[in-house]
Amino acid sequence: NAGVTQTPKFRVLKTGQSMTLLCAQDMNHEYMYWYRQDPGMGLRLIHYSVGEGTTAKGEVPDGYNVSRLKKQNFLLGLESAAPSQTSVYFCASSYDGALFLRGNTIYFGEGSWLTVV
Amino acid sequence: ELKVEQNPLFLSMQEGKNYTIYCNYSTTSDRLYWYRQDPGKSLESLFVLLSNGAVKQEGRLMASLDTKARLSTLHITAAVHDLSATYFCAVRFLHETGTASKLTFGTGTRLQVTL
Repeated sequence: NAGVTQTPKFRVLKTGQSMTLLCAQDMNHEYMYWYRQDPGMGLRLIHYSVGEGTTAKGEVPDGYNVSRLKKQNFLLGLESAAPSQTSVYFCASSYDGALFLRGNTIYFGEGSWLTVV
Repeated sequence: ELKVEQNPLFLSMQEGKNYTIYCNYSTTSDRLYWYRQDPGKSLESLFVLLSNGAVKQEGRLMASLDTKARLSTLHITAAVHDLSATYFCAVRFLHETGTASKLTFGTGTRLQVTL
């Protein structure tokens, strides 16, 4: 059982380049999330999805786009990378889809280390 | 504004001592999570707290939730070096419609247990 898988794990980009981070989950989860983690700032939500074909903005969406064409995949795109996007990116997924769904756990991927020079 | 505040941000403690990490949040939530993160690693789920007065324990860690005070605590009993890590609380805030919403994280508490 792979859980949540992120690719690539490490990447160095030049300013202005584009790239896509892929998140795949094999748990049939409805909700998927992309977070970035920066020193001293915890995790901040970039975008999230409540189901296939739907996406929504989080706290820090600028400079990123996402797509959820298939339920198991959530893609995070950087169209024109900037040094401020140097960060560790985490994907997560969960079953959440109803207010009173209990005992839910959110599962995280291993992280993707991105450096923009 | 949705806010989650943790304190302290950094905690250095000796083995065998007890301490508490605090997590305050700004508005109505239906669940609160505690996670552990080791350096360079992903987040490991520790506890999910669902209701007022909920208390969960695992080994030397105990988490509690007071929804009226909008406060959760993570208590460490008789700390050991293996507990050294960064601990995050995360709060699921509710939309006005009552549907599930996004998860907002605290800034984390870096715990260092010294011998």
